[in-house]
Amino acid sequence: GNSVTQMEGPVTLSEEAFLTINCTYTATGYPSLFWYVQYPGEGLQLLLKATKADDKGSNKGFEATYRKETTSFHLEKGSVQVSDSAVYFCAVSNAGNNRKLIWGLGTSLAVNP
Amino acid sequence: ETGVTQTPRHLVMGMTNKKSLKCEQHLGHNAMYWYKQSAKKPLELMFVYSLEERVENNSVPSRFSPECPNSSHLFLHLHTLQPEDSALYLCASSRGLSGTTDTQYFGPGTRLTVL
Repeated sequence: GNSVTQMEGPVTLSEEAFLTINCTYTATGYPSLFWYVQYPGEGLQLLLKATKADDKGSNKGFEATYRKETTSFHLEKGSVQVSDSAVYFCAVSNAGNNRKLIWGLGTSLAVNP
Repeated sequence: ETGVTQTPRHLVMGMTNKKSLKCEQHLGHNAMYWYKQSAKKPLELMFVYSLEERVENNSVPSRFSPECPNSSHLFLHLHTLQPEDSALYLCASSRGLSGTTDTQYFGPGTRLTVL
């Protein structure tokens, strides 16, 4: 079945540093790929998504590109802020059916001023 | 974002208590979900409802009993829980169940502690 491997955290960066959080997946067919973010004390929020190969999802300065050849969906941001401190989750859907998302373990990011 | 609300936000209960978690979505969605979030584990899908009908039950113990009286409300009834059931319980909704555009929107969760 589908699976997601996400880099372990915690990740600690200084403000304005470059961020990469790696995510690789195994899947059959053509799944959709997601990044969700969970701020302290809150539920998960969709950050960005991509639904087909070579699509780039972007939001709030974050980007991730659907790379089918490397089965990856790495999250990047050029300059992080303290307010980006949160837990980031990579998720993969079954092709054509978003009922069952397969989740990574989450990567905690702490950004220091 | 207040599209999906959950009450209570925190709940402490004994193993013999009966309590209920409530979720309400204001997005006009047709599908609702219960997830369990535990430390060091991937998010676990518990139940899925579509148009008030349960369409998925992922081998969840019977001490968890979901109820979906309409497409806007979802409950999780709890009884005789175990300490290992302590976790953050998240509710989510989506427009439907099929199609790659049906993003799931999450509530803030209920932090449950079972003593």
